[in-house]
Amino acid sequence: EIVLTQSPATLSLSPGERATLSCRASQSVSNYLAWYQQKPGQAPRLLIYDASNRATGIPARFSGSGSGTDFTLTISSLEPEDFAVYYCQQRSNWPPFTFGPGTKVDIK
Amino acid sequence: EVQLVESGGGLVQPGRSLRLSCRASGFSFGDYAMSWFRQAPGKGLEWVSCIRSKAYGGTTDYAASVKGRFTISRDDSKTIAYLQMNSLKTEDTAVYYCARVLGYSYGFDWLPGYFDLWGRGTLVTVSS
Repeated sequence: EIVLTQSPATLSLSPGERATLSCRASQSVSNYLAWYQQKPGQAPRLLIYDASNRATGIPARFSGSGSGTDFTLTISSLEPEDFAVYYCQQRSNWPPFTFGPGTKVDIK
Repeated sequence: EVQLVESGGGLVQPGRSLRLSCRASGFSFGDYAMSWFRQAPGKGLEWVSCIRSKAYGGTTDYAASVKGRFTISRDDSKTIAYLQMNSLKTEDTAVYYCARVLGYSYGFDWLPGYFDLWGRGTLVTVSS
């Protein structure tokens, strides 16, 4: 099973700042990685798939990069609605599909 | 409106059964694979099961933690995906989400990949 780790666990930033979130895989997943956003009491929302492709309707301030074992989600300028928990997920080797433990982006 | 709505959650004793439903609307349900996930209180996301569309045999996959106890199925005429949960354990307590699968053709096969539409979830509590 591929294990995903995310860092940092919590990121405290102000609106307008740049957020950089990291996801590392225990073995190469090529570019088969997605990012999701989850707000309290809500379902996850797909943001990025195959490492760098934005899902339908996702604003351009969200971007993804990386391949192999190291990946990054960047939010170029945080909007108030972006404060949430972000998860990465791999589709390279399944079952199971695995998720990282999440990074919480909260307001500084 | 394109949406998924889960139902069927509740409080159940260990060892008992429960069936969850996921009703889809606004898209061609039969053309999509569907999947179930869960999220224990204060924890992260865990993939539970997946069922392909009938065009790809309707085959199923399960997480090791639920294999042999949970069964995923679908009724395309009703646009509903089900999760039958038997022999429930306290560690099955979680919010259960269904999701539509974004997949990829691979030769003559089709592989699930990501999850692009989610329901709001239904809470299952297993406790005596």
